[in-house]
Amino acid sequence: KNEVEQSPQNLTAQEGEFITINCSYSVGISALHWLQQHPGGGIVSLFMLSSGKKKHGRLIATINIQEKHSSLHITASHPRDSAVYICAVRPGNQFYFGTGTSLTVIP
Amino acid sequence: EPEVTQTPSHQVTQMGQEVILRCVPISNHLYFYWYRQILGQKVEFLVSFYNNEISEKSEIFDDQFSVERPDGSNFTLKIRSTKLEDSAMYFCASGGPNQPQHFGDGTRLSIL
Repeated sequence: KNEVEQSPQNLTAQEGEFITINCSYSVGISALHWLQQHPGGGIVSLFMLSSGKKKHGRLIATINIQEKHSSLHITASHPRDSAVYICAVRPGNQFYFGTGTSLTVIP
Repeated sequence: EPEVTQTPSHQVTQMGQEVILRCVPISNHLYFYWYRQILGQKVEFLVSFYNNEISEKSEIFDDQFSVERPDGSNFTLKIRSTKLEDSAMYFCASGGPNQPQHFGDGTRLSIL
């Protein structure tokens, strides 16, 4: 069973495009994380949120707890944004991860 | 900026042997985690550790696995009697309460 579903699985965009990655989950959570995994494998935490909206530079993350849904937006996308974006949810001290969205931004 | 460091970056071990993966979390962090990612698959939670004890573990984290904080700075994952299917990238992470986690660069474990 998949507690976390992400869409799309793969996404190709032209530089400058606005990008949205979606995450739906089926369990009650205390927090949701958005992570970025670089081609070399390293993982960077982008956001941790439990309600509302957060913004960092060109990245915006939103969450709707009632609908069990979160979105990650990238404005003015750039080739350096190319990576796998992973949604992870935290019920208690356990973590469930999505399979990731592979984003390629073409110059 | 402080980093989580993991050693070794790549470990090759014969099936049946024991391995110890090492992590140095960020010094003022209180929560520590191990994850694994089998090649081509999603990241999987193994265990969380707080206040010198396991606070949560997944179904994957069976008796073959153990964690330890031997000296107040290192955080280790021990895998006994390794199997071929233990081959994966293992990530350590640390964090404060209600804060994002900081990940190490991972240890690639190859079981032959």
